[in-house]
Amino acid sequence: AQKVTQAQTEISVVEKEDVTLDCVYETRDTTYYLFWYKQPPSGELVFLIRRNSFDEQNEISGRYSWNFQKSTSSFNFTITASQVVDSAVYFCALSAPFQGAQKLVFGQGTRLTINP
Amino acid sequence: DAMVIQNPRYQVTQFGKPVTLSCSQTLNHNVMYWYQQKSSQAPKLLFHYYDKDFNNEADTPDNFQSRRPNTSFCFLDIRSPGLGDAAMYLCATSKTRDPTSRDQYFGPGTRLLVL
Repeated sequence: AQKVTQAQTEISVVEKEDVTLDCVYETRDTTYYLFWYKQPPSGELVFLIRRNSFDEQNEISGRYSWNFQKSTSSFNFTITASQVVDSAVYFCALSAPFQGAQKLVFGQGTRLTINP
Repeated sequence: DAMVIQNPRYQVTQFGKPVTLSCSQTLNHNVMYWYQQKSSQAPKLLFHYYDKDFNNEADTPDNFQSRRPNTSFCFLDIRSPGLGDAAMYLCATSKTRDPTSRDQYFGPGTRLLVL
């Protein structure tokens, strides 16, 4: 069975602080994909990143960075110099390829609040 | 340019009264998904279509059904909504078998309220 755990239910920081959102996953598949999505108050899930299981290279995109470590089954997300617009619920997800489709298993989400 | 469109954004129905939520896409994607997201919870996959092939999740209640009359449209039918079915319903699409093109594009969701 696949499982994603986001232990941090809520995080609140002051603007310009760095913040890391933790994600730990479980899977028996050797090939899998990991994702982060952002869900602002409007409700739409916004895709942030996909990482496949064979690529452990860390990635940076502007103020966002991701640290993938297979040894600890973790895929953590860091926001540098946080801004109020970063306030949202963030979901980590794991995909299980299924007959051409992609079944996403989500973690419970972390509600991030950036205070001015 | 909206790519995955969900109507209506808010839907109010009565306990036991059938309701249909709609989703359309302009991406010409093969796969369409329906997720249920209850308050403060993670989205949970209900079912998906790969073209015309319907795939139901094992724990999706029988009360939930879906139709996909063509590539662009997919409907979620709730036959007899209960209070516990109040949630955000998210539609998503993805392209095809190529793993790198399986990224899901989500619509804005329909928030269902059951009175």
